[in-house]
Amino acid sequence: DSGVTQTPKHLITATGQRVTLRCSPRSGDLSVYWYQQSLDQGLQFLIQYYNGEERAKGNILERFSAQQFPDLHSELNLSSLELGDSALYFCASSGGVEGYYGYTFGSGTRLTVV
Amino acid sequence: AQKVTQAQTEISVVEKEDVTLDCVYETRDTTYYLFWYKQPPSGELVFLIRRNSFDEQNEISGRYSWNFQKSTSSFNFTITASQVVDSAVYFCALSVFNAGNMLTFGGGTRLMVKP
Repeated sequence: DSGVTQTPKHLITATGQRVTLRCSPRSGDLSVYWYQQSLDQGLQFLIQYYNGEERAKGNILERFSAQQFPDLHSELNLSSLELGDSALYFCASSGGVEGYYGYTFGSGTRLTVV
Repeated sequence: AQKVTQAQTEISVVEKEDVTLDCVYETRDTTYYLFWYKQPPSGELVFLIRRNSFDEQNEISGRYSWNFQKSTSSFNFTITASQVVDSAVYFCALSVFNAGNMLTFGGGTRLMVKP
């Protein structure tokens, strides 16, 4: 157990729908990162939050949004889902805003859009 | 912009063979961090090592060793006496200090160790 908890582990939904992925960071970590792993794009950084504030943005679609709550858990919202959004979504946490102490990844949420 | 290249998409070896996974990175920054992660068939990402740009010492951890060479922008990973349990996808990644903090991953190398 890495200490980073992601729920749900699997999600199957239809095109056009909206889903929410949840991440609880390792105890004491203030930064949360979201990554998408797809067959054609590989592992890509989506967005980072540090202590409730957005700190960095990657290749995140406008249909996607995220937030980090006061208890430091984070949610990634995916809307108007398309077949191409099917992927493994990882959350990672780290102690500092820079992350260079290392990132701990959750086990991921596998999203299948049908 | 940062880039990580893992030229070997797939490697197949027989158990007990040594195998080296190559990683070449690109960055203009002088302060950066390099990582290796393992992704077994179960899907999770397992942290293996972090190395900062000021520390070129090679590292050995059991059957694993890493060779960092700034002159060639490479951070290669060697598994000695490979085992079937080493079968996984291995990712090299780069994080640049003060440049967004995200990890830039290479495309990964799938290692298959056959008995």
